[in-house]
Amino acid sequence: DAGITQSPRYKITETGRQVTLMCHQTWSHSYMFWYRQDLGHGLRLIYYSAAADITDKGEVPDGYVVSRSKTENFPLTLESATRSQTSVYFCASSARTGGYEQYFGPGTRLTVT
Amino acid sequence: GNSVTQMEGPVTLSEEAFLTINCTYTATGYPSLFWYVQYPGEGLQLLLKATKADDKGSNKGFEATYRKETTSFHLEKGSVQVSDSAVYFCALFSNTGNQFYFGTGTSLTVIP
Repeated sequence: DAGITQSPRYKITETGRQVTLMCHQTWSHSYMFWYRQDLGHGLRLIYYSAAADITDKGEVPDGYVVSRSKTENFPLTLESATRSQTSVYFCASSARTGGYEQYFGPGTRLTVT
Repeated sequence: GNSVTQMEGPVTLSEEAFLTINCTYTATGYPSLFWYVQYPGEGLQLLLKATKADDKGSNKGFEATYRKETTSFHLEKGSVQVSDSAVYFCALFSNTGNQFYFGTGTSLTVIP
């Protein structure tokens, strides 16, 4: 009954490096989301996915890439990390859209030096 | 556009005190409103929600009423406990935007 997991939980990387954050859910939820959490901004949506092979941009997609080849996985890649991408990243899933509850993972704290 | 504004924190209360965290929203259409709670080191968890005007959401002693006339969804609890210490996020879901919009969060610390 793992639910939704994220890995790694903590990551330090250098400017310009590529880094991938992993998200895995065991509920077979159709919808998955990536948010970043920054002081003074709350949570902001980066990308979301309505189903395998269907993704769409959120509020702050620049500098990020996502894919969803399997329903249960939704990795987020920073192709060339920048200091402004230092943040806490949360993955979430939902069975349906239309305001249904989103279930959040524990978060990944990423520091870009 | 869609946005959520919630009161600045941090908020510090003594155990058994009354809690109010203000939340107002701007939205197109008819949004659903939510309160999420984030305990230290964890992801967000749904606390309560309301899907239409005048609905009251409630859970674990917390309540919030969807007020369309004042575009508000204030969170209240009559008697807080130390275990309520967390960050509280107000959020809306807009069918026109088809996504959630979160407030900036309000940190609550309850002292014995």
